[in-house]
Order: sequence, then structure tokens, then C-alpha cells
Amino acid sequence: NAGVTQTPKFRILKIGQSMTLQCAQDMNHNYMYWYRQDPGMGLKLIYYSVGAGITDKGEVPNGYNVSRSTTEDFPLRLELAAPSQTSVYFCASRGTENSPLHFGNGTRLTVT
Amino acid sequence: DQQVKQNSPSLSVQEGRISILNCDYTNSMFDYFLWYKKYPAEGPTFLISISSIKDKNEDGRFTVFLNKSAKHLSLHIVPSQPGDSAVYFCAASARLTGGGNKLTFGTGTQLKVEL
Repeated sequence: NAGVTQTPKFRILKIGQSMTLQCAQDMNHNYMYWYRQDPGMGLKLIYYSVGAGITDKGEVPNGYNVSRSTTEDFPLRLELAAPSQTSVYFCASRGTENSPLHFGNGTRLTVT
Repeated sequence: DQQVKQNSPSLSVQEGRISILNCDYTNSMFDYFLWYKKYPAEGPTFLISISSIKDKNEDGRFTVFLNKSAKHLSLHIVPSQPGDSAVYFCAASARLTGGGNKLTFGTGTQLKVEL
């Protein structure tokens, strides 16, 4: 049981480049989330999804896009990378809206 | 506006002693509180939670206390072990008007348990 799998683990982007952070879970969870963690800060919610085909904005959605075509996958897209998007990105899932989150191991992104 | 605050960025405790990690919140709509533990290069993992209708929840060496009037919760680890060295995040949950709920995280406290 792999849980929540994020790829890649690390990435360096140049300003203006685009990339997709992948997230997959094998627990058949309906609820999936993307967070970013900046140094000395808590986790901030970027986007979330309550099921396949349904996504919604979190606290800090600007500069990002998501899709949820399947229950398992919840990719996060950066279209025009900016230095402000340098952060560690965590994907998480849970089976019900009240159960604890299961996190992936994160993607460390640097934009220079 | 930091609705969940962990005012101590770090805490150092001797092995075998008690570790007390604190968390304050400002939003009275929070109805569920959780603690997560994070090791370097890993994602946070769930540790323990408490509903707003309770004032204490215990799970082995870990106990969470909630003081609603003070909008304060704390995590007690007794006895502390070197493997407890990690960053601990406090999180609070509130219902969204459109359904579901939202977790707000604190900034974390780095706990170091020394031999």
C-alpha cells in the first residue's frame, strides 16, 4: 500500500517555465488537497477536490491549476513559474471530510 | 492573519522528561483540532486529535488538552524519546459554508529530544 505518491521529489525551474507536479493515491480517497509550505510558515491550501471532476480553490490558488479526472490522480500545474512559487509542495488525501489527512513526501521546487 | 499560532519555533527536552507543545487559535468556529508530526524530507503524519466538545484525549504517550475558553491547546509527550524529535504542527478544522471542512495549520514547533 503506497499511500500518497508525489513526483518528482525535487525540481529546479527557470522563471516562466511550466511544469506539473504529480500526485497519486491508492486508498480510493475522494478528498484530495494541495498545500505549499514556505520556510517558517504553516501549510497553506492551494486547491482541493472532493471527488473526480470537482475542484475548488484554497487560500493561495493564484498561479496554479488543477484537474481531477480520476479518483486516484490530482496533478498540480504551474503555467508560468515565478520565484514566489519556490516552496515545498505537499499533496494529501482523506477518505471522509472528517478523517485525518494522509500526506505524500513532498516536492521541493526552486524557481530561479 | 494567522488564525492558528504556535509561538515557540523550537523546544529542547531531555529524554524521559515531558514535552509540552502549545498552540493558540483565534477562530471560535474551529470545532476539531489535530496534531501532525513531520520528519525531514517526509510529509506530515497524523498524531492525535480532539473534538471541541472534549477537553482531553489520550493515546499512549501522547495527550492533547483543549481549553476552549482560552482558545488554547497543548500536546504533552511523556516520556519523551529521541525518536520524537520532529516538527509538530497544530491544525484546526472549521466547516465551510458550501460543505466540507477546511484545515488551518500553525507554523510548527521543532522538538529536539536530547539524550
